[in-house]
Amino acid sequence: QSALTQPPSASGSPGQSVTISCIESSSDVSGNKHVSWYQQHPGKAPKLMIYEVSKRPSGVPDRFSGSKSGNTASLTVSGLQAEDEADYYCSAYGGNHCWVFGGGTKLTVL
Amino acid sequence: QVQLVESGGGVVQPGGSLRLSCVASGFTFTDYGIHWVRQAPGKGLEWVAFLRYDEEKWYADSANGRFTISRDISKNTLYLQLSSLRPEDTAVYYCIRDDLNYAFDIWGQGTMVTVSS
Repeated sequence: QSALTQPPSASGSPGQSVTISCIESSSDVSGNKHVSWYQQHPGKAPKLMIYEVSKRPSGVPDRFSGSKSGNTASLTVSGLQAEDEADYYCSAYGGNHCWVFGGGTKLTVL
Repeated sequence: QVQLVESGGGVVQPGGSLRLSCVASGFTFTDYGIHWVRQAPGKGLEWVAFLRYDEEKWYADSANGRFTISRDISKNTLYLQLSSLRPEDTAVYYCIRDDLNYAFDIWGQGTMVTVSS
């Protein structure tokens, strides 16, 4: 079973880009395409932002993009806006009938 | 409108039981799997259980043997039976539709479970 490690915090100024990493600890996840990202504002339920590493659901702005290299998945938010300030979680299907989440990253828009 | 609405949360003593419900609407209930994910106060997300479209059931280690996931197709309702509850089970419990790509695409608003004496 893999574990996912995220930085606790990230920040950027309006208009800038910020990238949040999600490092998978399992040795057999380099081919894992089942990585997704979620945005959560305070007091609200999370919202799916990226699935299958880099696909965006309908309605998610194209400022949000996902990628993966080796055991590290990344979420990039371009053209930061005030409303992007939120907690972000990565998730992956860990195999063996389970899912795992990263610890979350608090994104601050300066 | 695709929607999931949870209910059944509350305050329960350690060792007690509680049944959470999740009513689905706006989609064909039997075509999708449904997850339960929880979030302790001020903490991150933790996957708890999954009921696949074919009724196969998968559980996190923390839930195995204490929690039971089930559904009633006639009521478009998913359940999570919580037993032998511990203070560390205190959390908001979300039910979520699986998007068939191992991601959580539709989230309910959550229901709070507090385990305390």
